[in-house]
Amino acid sequence: GNSVTQMEGPVTLSEEAFLTINCTYTATGYPSLFWYVQYPGEGLQLLLKATKADDKGSNKGFEATYRKETTSFHLEKGSVQVSDSAVYFCALARNMNYGGSQGNLIFGKGTKLSVKP
Amino acid sequence: ETGVTQSPTHLIKTRGQQVTLRCSSQSGHNTVSWYQQALGQGPQFIFQYYREEENGRGNFPPRFSGLQFPNYSSELNVNALELDDSALYLCASTHPGGSGEGYEQYFGPGTRLTVT
Repeated sequence: GNSVTQMEGPVTLSEEAFLTINCTYTATGYPSLFWYVQYPGEGLQLLLKATKADDKGSNKGFEATYRKETTSFHLEKGSVQVSDSAVYFCALARNMNYGGSQGNLIFGKGTKLSVKP
Repeated sequence: ETGVTQSPTHLIKTRGQQVTLRCSSQSGHNTVSWYQQALGQGPQFIFQYYREEENGRGNFPPRFSGLQFPNYSSELNVNALELDDSALYLCASTHPGGSGEGYEQYFGPGTRLTVT
């Protein structure tokens, strides 16, 4: 079945450090891949997405490249800030080709990131 | 600000009781999905509604049921509450799209349910 595995946290970094959060997936077909972020006490916000192999999603300095050969979608940021402290979720969704049914998201367990000043 | 709202914010219920959680989607979003997020875990898909009919369901028992209304609001109902139902319940709405490729789900802030 479809599943997402991401590195376990928590991850603690100093401000301006380089961030990598690993994510690998198992899926039939060609899923879309997502990174969501959850700040304390809030719901999920889409951080970035990629819909096909070799696509790079990027937003707010974060990047992730859809690697079909390694079934990976690792999240990176060159210089983290204290405000990036949150829980990050990797997710996939099957691409649906008929109107209305958009498929459901399958999430990893999340990686908690803490950035210290 | 996603425009998706949920109520109530927090709720405490006793085992065996029934609960109704509410979600108001963004205008024009005709698909709504519900997720359960246990503490320290990723969200798990409960079910999805499209044009007021259930359109996909995850591995949840029938005591989890839902409704979607023409005004883009929806409900999640849980009967015979169990202690393990304690979780954050998230709804997410989706803009209608023909192909579904790369669609985006907009999440509400969630309802924290505690079952004692």
